[in-house]
Amino acid sequence: DTEVTQTPKHLVMGMTNKKSLKCEQHMGHRAMYWYKQKAKKPPELMFVYSYEKLSINESVPSRFSPECPNSSLLNLHLHALQPEDSALYLCASSQGVGFNQPQHFGDGTRLSIL
Amino acid sequence: GQQVMQIPQYQHVQEGEDFTTYCNSSTTLSNIQWYKQRPGGHPVFLIQLVKSGEVKKQKRLTFQFGEAKKNSSLHITATQTTDVGTYFCAGLNNQGGKLIFGQGTELSVKP
Repeated sequence: DTEVTQTPKHLVMGMTNKKSLKCEQHMGHRAMYWYKQKAKKPPELMFVYSYEKLSINESVPSRFSPECPNSSLLNLHLHALQPEDSALYLCASSQGVGFNQPQHFGDGTRLSIL
Repeated sequence: GQQVMQIPQYQHVQEGEDFTTYCNSSTTLSNIQWYKQRPGGHPVFLIQLVKSGEVKKQKRLTFQFGEAKKNSSLHITATQTTDVGTYFCAGLNNQGGKLIFGQGTELSVKP
């Protein structure tokens, strides 16, 4: 069982829709991450939040908008996505800030853009 | 920029055979992490190596970090069907920055 919970598990949306992905962890971790993963590829970092503040944005298109309402929650707001955005979106958290910390991944949201 | 190359891309073994995946970095790493992702699953942290020449074992898995801290390997002894999945290394360079994932090695085990 994963300690990082992501909802929904699957999402199908049209290119004009607005939807949100949610991630929750109750381990007291201070850093949270969004990754995008295509089939047969490694995870690609999108955003990093450290102490609830956005610390890294890997030049992600503005149609992806992250939000960190509190230390346990991380959202990814989606708007006007493209078919190439179809992928597995993974949330992760780590106890401390910095990439020398093990990351705990959620099960992911499988997103399909029609 | 920094790259982490991982080979092989795929490995098919008979159950009971050994398996090794290798990672090489273009720059010196401060640490390297290993993750396993089962088919349809999410990456699961296995281990982190920090010291030059470090060797760590977890049951049938042996992890090594090279003396120059530019390469690492994961060796599985006597594979089992439960070992099936993709193994990723992820390195952090000495100048900080972010974790760079290797392309992964997909392991299949034939019973």
